[in-house]
Amino acid sequence: DTGVSQDPRHKITKRGQNVTFRCDPISEHNRLYWYRQTLGQGPEFLTYFQNEAQLEKSRLLSDRFSAERPKGSFSTLEIQRTEQGDSAMYLCASSSGGNEQFFGPGTRLTVL
Amino acid sequence: QKEVEQDPGPLSVPEGAIVSLNCTYSNSAFQYFMWYRQYSRKGPELLMYTYSSGNKEDGRFTAQVDKSSKYISLFIRDSQPSDSATYLCAMSGRASGTYKYIFGTGTRLKVLA
Repeated sequence: DTGVSQDPRHKITKRGQNVTFRCDPISEHNRLYWYRQTLGQGPEFLTYFQNEAQLEKSRLLSDRFSAERPKGSFSTLEIQRTEQGDSAMYLCASSSGGNEQFFGPGTRLTVL
Repeated sequence: QKEVEQDPGPLSVPEGAIVSLNCTYSNSAFQYFMWYRQYSRKGPELLMYTYSSGNKEDGRFTAQVDKSSKYISLFIRDSQPSDSATYLCAMSGRASGTYKYIFGTGTRLKVLA
């Protein structure tokens, strides 16, 4: 399978703990995006990388959130001191020179 | 007012019906218009990708964009129970200097056998 992969698929954590998610984009896709989706809503943009450079961050991305793409391949999204409001599906997407974004299966986070 | 408006449904239709799904938007900078299908607890799957105004057909799916009215549509012909899912419209505009997508809330579709 050469699509976007995300790990883990599910994460349950207690409030105040840190969590980290990983995204592996489609091979040779230079653009990588993170979105967050809550129940009954469409995905909301969080941040965007072109190669290893983080070029845009949403105001939704508070100081507790950090994303990296150190070698321009996989990316990680870390949430520090999780809150119940962070419970959501975290989606990763990638694209190449065109604008079509292909999404991974998502990581479902539950904060107790 | 949200940048992209989409009726959340649910929309129930009998098998074989033609389904019409719609979104309206307010940002005239949008140039790219996408439709995604999302099954429960799965990631969105790209169905249609169009640039600017006009129609695009792919199998049973037809996407229409009317930039003058800021209105886009997805038509599904000969709908099947397997089409039951949430359909998300998404838009982006390179003219606004970003590649991020703005999504509608999604419309839940149920195709009854």
